[in-house]
Amino acid sequence: NAGVMQNPRHLVRRRGQEARLRCSPMKGHSHVYWYRQLPEEGLKFMVYLQKENIIDESGMPKERFSAEFPKEGPSILRIQQVVRGDSAAYFCASSPGQGAVNEQYFGPGTRLTVT
Amino acid sequence: SQQGEEDPQALSIQEGENATMNCSYKTSINNLQWYRQNSGRGLVHLILIRSNEREKHSGRLRVTLDTSKKSSSLLITASRAADTASYFCATDPRMDSSYKLIFGSGTRLLVRP
Repeated sequence: NAGVMQNPRHLVRRRGQEARLRCSPMKGHSHVYWYRQLPEEGLKFMVYLQKENIIDESGMPKERFSAEFPKEGPSILRIQQVVRGDSAAYFCASSPGQGAVNEQYFGPGTRLTVT
Repeated sequence: SQQGEEDPQALSIQEGENATMNCSYKTSINNLQWYRQNSGRGLVHLILIRSNEREKHSGRLRVTLDTSKKSSSLLITASRAADTASYFCATDPRMDSSYKLIFGSGTRLLVRP
């Protein structure tokens, strides 16, 4: 049973370019979460999605950032017009669905560097 | 704002010793989870403790939860060099039907051989 897959693992973008980060949840998981981690810090929640729905985007910056989880295919986190401050590790997690226990399984992350 | 706060921020011990990390949080929770992160890698889930549980064990790990003090501790017994990593607590506040986790800033554990 493959774990959460993220690609690319490393991404370098120049200021002003777009970054697209992909996440394939574990098989059977319908909930996806995106988190951002700055160096030497903990993870900060960005967005929580179910298939074709954004459930909670309270951690997403209002501009330049968007996320989707289409009916088919991976979840995408899109950052437009990247700036140096967007450099961070972006982690995706998935969980099976609603229930009393919310154990999230994390992918290896995408390390974004903006030059 | 970040809910969980771990202390200490960094801990250095000798192999074979026990390591204790603490986590405090601010709001009510559904459960609390501990994760490990090796340098430059993803997070590995260690253990989950529900709000109605007080203690849980998994191998060399022991987690306690005190909801009245809004705090948790992670004890790693008989530490090994391979335990060197950052450890994060994450709370599940289950607010507004959201299943997001709120992470602390982590404890960096160094186990010296």
